[in-house]
Amino acid sequence: DQQVKQNSPSLSVQEGRISILNCDYTNSMFDYFLWYKKYPAEGPTFLISISSIKDKNEDGRFTVFLNKSAKHLSLHIVPSQPGDSAVYFCAALLNDYKLSFGAGTTVTVRA
Amino acid sequence: DTAVSQTPKYLVTQMGNDKSIKCEQNLGHDTMYWYKQDSKKFLKIMFSYNNKELIINETVPNRFSPKSPDKAHLNLHINSLELGDSAVYFCASSQDLQQGASKTQYFGPGTRLLVL
Repeated sequence: DQQVKQNSPSLSVQEGRISILNCDYTNSMFDYFLWYKKYPAEGPTFLISISSIKDKNEDGRFTVFLNKSAKHLSLHIVPSQPGDSAVYFCAALLNDYKLSFGAGTTVTVRA
Repeated sequence: DTAVSQTPKYLVTQMGNDKSIKCEQNLGHDTMYWYKQDSKKFLKIMFSYNNKELIINETVPNRFSPKSPDKAHLNLHINSLELGDSAVYFCASSQDLQQGASKTQYFGPGTRLLVL
């Protein structure tokens, strides 16, 4: 049973515009959320995280928003760059160690 | 300088064979993990070791046995390989949470296993 869901398998965005990736979760016990970026034939690379006690975390072009009441988080990338084309995974942490992943969203940034 | 490394990167083998995948991290982390990414691209945790002790053991066939000789290494041994074991296996590590450190897990490049 998937407890972390990314309902958009793909997203296409023009260079310079904003990319918004969405993620929903079902387990209210998750206390830490992360976004990973993955290129083909490589491992997931950590992008940004947020604790459940916060509603926003920003790091350069990347901002993660958390809405606990809706069990929803989103990743904003602005401005989008061609190098951002990759698969983005949302992940949620339970009991400090157990990480559950969404299915991923493939982002394509058009020049 | 690679933080989390895995060997081999590719592994092609016959059904019924026994194989091992090695993982090493040079981040000084205390906790290591094995994940499996199946054909549908879902990443799922298999095992986790903290200071050489097993702390997570998901519903994984007992043909899979993790071995942690020290806290910088977590190897995965698979007995009697089956066709369904074909997947990408990722190793990861994270800091000891008792130190109040980040909960972020850092991943290796993956081992692509194909069972024929």
